[in-house]
Amino acid sequence: EAGVAQSPRYKIIEKRQSVAFWCNPISGHATLYWYQQILGQGPKLLIQFQNNGVVDDSQLPKDRFSAERLKGVDSTLKIQPAKLEDSAVYLCASSLASGGYNEQFFGPGTRLTVL
Amino acid sequence: AQKITQTQPGMFVQEKEAVTLDCTYDTSDPSYGLFWYKQPSSGEMIFLIYQGSYDQQNATEGRYSLNFQKARKSANLVISASQLGDSAMYFCAMREVPSGNTGKLIFGQGTTLQVKP
Repeated sequence: EAGVAQSPRYKIIEKRQSVAFWCNPISGHATLYWYQQILGQGPKLLIQFQNNGVVDDSQLPKDRFSAERLKGVDSTLKIQPAKLEDSAVYLCASSLASGGYNEQFFGPGTRLTVL
Repeated sequence: AQKITQTQPGMFVQEKEAVTLDCTYDTSDPSYGLFWYKQPSSGEMIFLIYQGSYDQQNATEGRYSLNFQKARKSANLVISASQLGDSAMYFCAMREVPSGNTGKLIFGQGTTLQVKP
């Protein structure tokens, strides 16, 4: 079974530029998550999708971050414009469903450096 | 509010010995799940073990076991017979089981484990 795919693996941009990350979850997984992991910290949930609907985006900085999952499969996370403090690893995860014991499977992450 | 605390920024253990990584949590919900993940230097998060709040027995998965003390709100990870490949960052995480809740994971700050040969 293929795991969660993410691209690109690394991205370096200057502040105020735009960037987009892509995630393809495990086939059949209804729930998709985007996490931000700043160096030395645990991941923090940015947004959670159930199929193509948003169920939690309470910690997404909506003035600059946006995400979509139009067909309920793959997803894109965008930052526009980027700030220095957005430098982090962006992790995508998926699970069969949300809640209870539903193991989240993580992708390799995209390491973003904002200069 | 939910909170996970990992008080050990870094730990060392001798190869083949056991090590305990501490995790305490705070929640007002009686129904929740506790997870441990391993993050090697390559960056991916690897699921290790799960404990539900109503589980009567401590969870075990191979060399990993979870020392669940509900009254103390602690969920320590025990790794037996440490191997060099166990060197990584370890995260404790919690999810409140949803009833109208999204079931998001809240992660602790992590503990870096280094296994010495």
